Amino acid sequence: AQSVTQLDSQVPVFEEAPVELRCNYSSSVSVYLFWYVQYPNQGLQLLLKYLSGSTLVKGINGFEAEFNKSQTSFHLRKPSVHISDTAEYFCAVNPIKAAGNKLTFGGGTRVLVKP
Amino acid sequence: DVKVTQSSRYLVKRTGEKVFLECVQDMDHENMFWYRQDPGLGLRLIYFSYDVKMKEKGDIPEGYSVSREKKERFSLILESASTNQTSMYLCASSFDRGQPQHFGDGTRLSIL
Repeated sequence: AQSVTQLDSQVPVFEEAPVELRCNYSSSVSVYLFWYVQYPNQGLQLLLKYLSGSTLVKGINGFEAEFNKSQTSFHLRKPSVHISDTAEYFCAVNPIKAAGNKLTFGGGTRVLVKP
Repeated sequence: DVKVTQSSRYLVKRTGEKVFLECVQDMDHENMFWYRQDPGLGLRLIYFSYDVKMKEKGDIPEGYSVSREKKERFSLILESASTNQTSMYLCASSFDRGQPQHFGDGTRLSIL
C-alpha cells in the first residue's frame, strides 16, 4: 500500500515570493509521482509528473518539482508566485506495476497568495 | 482537449434516497475513477474501472456501487443516501499506468 503526506495544510505567501510545498510518500514498490492543482469550484488539473529520468521536473505555470528517492520526497516549488496561484495543491503517487492506474493522494496544501 | 463531464455541479437529496451520479469522458480512456473529496482528507478512491463492465473497489466503497455499461460512461450509485455521504464527488479518466488522470469539475452533493 502507498501513503502520501503533505506536511503543510495551508501556506500563506506574498505575491512574487517563492513557495515550496512539501510532499513525502511511503511505498514498498516504485511509483510514478504527480502534482495536481485545484482552483476554486473546479476539478483537478495536472501540474507535472515524474515517470523516470531527470529528477528535476518542470511543469505548467512556472512550477517545478524534484524527486528525491532516498528521502522519498517530491517537493513542489515556484520561484515567484502570482495571485492566480491561489489554489489547493495535491501530491499523488501511482505504483508502476499496478493495474488500472490508481492514484493515492495526499491531504492537499492550500496556498493563499497575498498582495 | 480531454473532456470529463459530470452530470450535475450541485445536487441536494434526502436521506434514504437512491442517488445516481453520472460521468462521461470523450477520449476513449480505458480507466475511470470515482473519488470523494473532504477537507483535510484529500481525495479518496471509492471505485474504479479499467474496462467495460469491470469494476474494482477503492479505499472507501462502503455504501456505494458503480456501473460501467459503455466505455465512455461511469456511474456512481448511492444505494441509500446518508448524511455522512455529503461531500464533493470527482470523476476522472485515464489511459494506462503512468498517464495522468483527467478530472471533471465535480458534483457537490448534500444529503439532508
